[in-house]
Amino acid sequence: QTVVTQEPSFSVSPGGTVTLTCGLSSGSVSSSHYTSWYQQIPGQAPRTLIYNTNIRSSGVPDRFSGSILGNKAALTVAGAQADDESDYFCLLYFSGLWVFGGGTKLTVL
Amino acid sequence: QVQLQESGPGLVKPSETLSLTCTVSGGSISGFYWSWIRQAPGKGLEWIGYMHSTGSSNSNPSLRSRVTMSVDASRNHFSLQLTSVTAADTAVYYCARYFCPGDICQGFDLWGQGALVTVST
Repeated sequence: QTVVTQEPSFSVSPGGTVTLTCGLSSGSVSSSHYTSWYQQIPGQAPRTLIYNTNIRSSGVPDRFSGSILGNKAALTVAGAQADDESDYFCLLYFSGLWVFGGGTKLTVL
Repeated sequence: QVQLQESGPGLVKPSETLSLTCTVSGGSISGFYWSWIRQAPGKGLEWIGYMHSTGSSNSNPSLRSRVTMSVDASRNHFSLQLTSVTAADTAVYYCARYFCPGDICQGFDLWGQGALVTVST
């Protein structure tokens, strides 16, 4: 079964920019995987950030952006704020099935 | 404003069947795709499966032999049954609605708050 990979952890300074990635154990992520991104504060339900690679969900600030970088999907957080400190998960589509990445814990310090 | 609410027993014995319901309020269940996702304590998210209001469905191959999903449009809710549970099935179970602007659903646009189910004697 395909494994979706994410960095286990990442840190960014307040006001800085960070790019989290979402890759495959074998092959490349493309627009046909319809990558979506979710933010989760521990103890809370996930919040949808990005659909279909780069479409922001309603109410999501434009500091969050999605893209394809090389062979991976990417989530860029610009002007990082303290309340961006969360877990971030990507979700990929594979012909009728969906697979989550393992998640990235983002620390803002 | 559409909201989702999971409900069901919080404690299930090993080898028994886990049953959860997701009630949709403020909107209709018809015409949409719905999903179940779970998260074991301290772990990541795991996609369980999806179903459409018409009944079409698919599920995670690793769980497929134990998963049954159903929709009750008259009650505006959909359900999950997971058979032969073990401690490894202990998790917060979320229901969610897919965002499907075209032929392919592109992620989830609405989440329930989650329901913790513990498998234990």
